[in-house]
Amino acid sequence: KAGVTQTPRYLIKTRGQQVTLSCSPISGHRSVSWYQQTPGQGLQFLFEYFSETQRNKGNFPGRFSGRQFSNSRSEMNVSTLELGDSALYLCASSPQTGGSSYNSPLHFGNGTRLTVT
Amino acid sequence: AQKVTQAQTEISVVEKEDVTLDCVYETRDTTYYLFWYKQPPSGELVFLIRRNSFDEQNEISGRYSWNFQKSTSSFNFTITASQVVDSAVYFCALSPGNTPLVFGKGTRLSVIA
Repeated sequence: KAGVTQTPRYLIKTRGQQVTLSCSPISGHRSVSWYQQTPGQGLQFLFEYFSETQRNKGNFPGRFSGRQFSNSRSEMNVSTLELGDSALYLCASSPQTGGSSYNSPLHFGNGTRLTVT
Repeated sequence: AQKVTQAQTEISVVEKEDVTLDCVYETRDTTYYLFWYKQPPSGELVFLIRRNSFDEQNEISGRYSWNFQKSTSSFNFTITASQVVDSAVYFCALSPGNTPLVFGKGTRLSVIA
């Protein structure tokens, strides 16, 4: 079974630009979560999608958005990039079959490393 | 508020030594889950173990063992006879009720041959 796939692996953008990151979950997994990892703040929850619906959102500005498609693939978008958005963005999927996916082990991708200059 | 504290930022051991990674958590929920994840240099977090708040049994899996103590709100992780391949960043995480994971800041373990 293929793991969680994130593309691209690396991105370099300049301030003010926007960026779209992609995540393909493990086949059959319907829950997709996104996390931002920085040296200063550590791992922070961005949002979670299940069956194309955003179920939860972390404490991030509206410049951060996401969506999920009918095949469970997910994208996240960051508009008007700032230097502080430089981070490793991790996507995780969960084989949630009922109840909360937060109690299930998450399967993470390798991440997309975004550098904003 | 939910919080996970991993007081050890970095640990360095010589191969074959035992090492314990500490994790202390805070939550007011009576039902919660605790996790440990490993992040090798490749970047992806790898799930190691999950424990729910009602199960205080310690667990051993090969060279790995976990000690969960509700009385001290701790969920410590021990690696016995460490190997170079154990070098990674280890994260403890808390899922209180139906809310997203709260991660600790991680402990970077370096095992030297």
